[in-house]
Amino acid sequence: DTAVSQTPKYLVTQMGNDKSIKCEQNLGHDTMYWYKQDSKKFLKIMFSYNNKELIINETVPNRFSPKSPDKAHLNLHINSLELGDSAVYFCASSQVAGNTDTQYFGPGTRLTVL
Amino acid sequence: DQQVKQNSPSLSVQEGRISILNCDYTNSMFDYFLWYKKYPAEGPTFLISISSIKDKNEDGRFTVFLNKSAKHLSLHIVPSQPGDSAVYFCAARDDKIIFGKGTRLHILP
Repeated sequence: DTAVSQTPKYLVTQMGNDKSIKCEQNLGHDTMYWYKQDSKKFLKIMFSYNNKELIINETVPNRFSPKSPDKAHLNLHINSLELGDSAVYFCASSQVAGNTDTQYFGPGTRLTVL
Repeated sequence: DQQVKQNSPSLSVQEGRISILNCDYTNSMFDYFLWYKKYPAEGPTFLISISSIKDKNEDGRFTVFLNKSAKHLSLHIVPSQPGDSAVYFCAARDDKIIFGKGTRLHILP
């Protein structure tokens, strides 16, 4: 069974469109994340949710809106897509225990904006 | 501003030899360091970690060394195996986890 799953795996769309990426984890973790890996290969955190509450929002444009209907799901909705949004988006989850913060990543969603 | 730097974009090592991947950081507030491994078309997977109060952590073929005074950590893989060919990300944590750009490791037959 896949621990962290994302859909779709590939997403190709036109500038100006609105799209969503879904993420689900079956690990029972309390914390979920969205990361963006851009063309320079940097993997940067965008958002973090703990028990459906937003705890990290890293200077991400308002066009990006995460939504957590329950602690097993964290979806990413993007409005008015721009060329610069093209990247691979990774969802992750973790259960912070003591001084560990091992994150489990999904397979990624490659978004291409034309 | 890169707080976690992996200055070698790629590294080639003969099978059976030792692979050494390096990572430098700038933020002295980091309290925990991690290495992740990533295969193509997959998400990163956790490999090994080390707390800032330690200088070495070993798990099978993988050992991570931390030199706090130099703000440097390294991952040693010995012996290197073909399945180790992947991109390795160094990461460090203060209130969130910050990743380096990754080093692509090629294990040569």
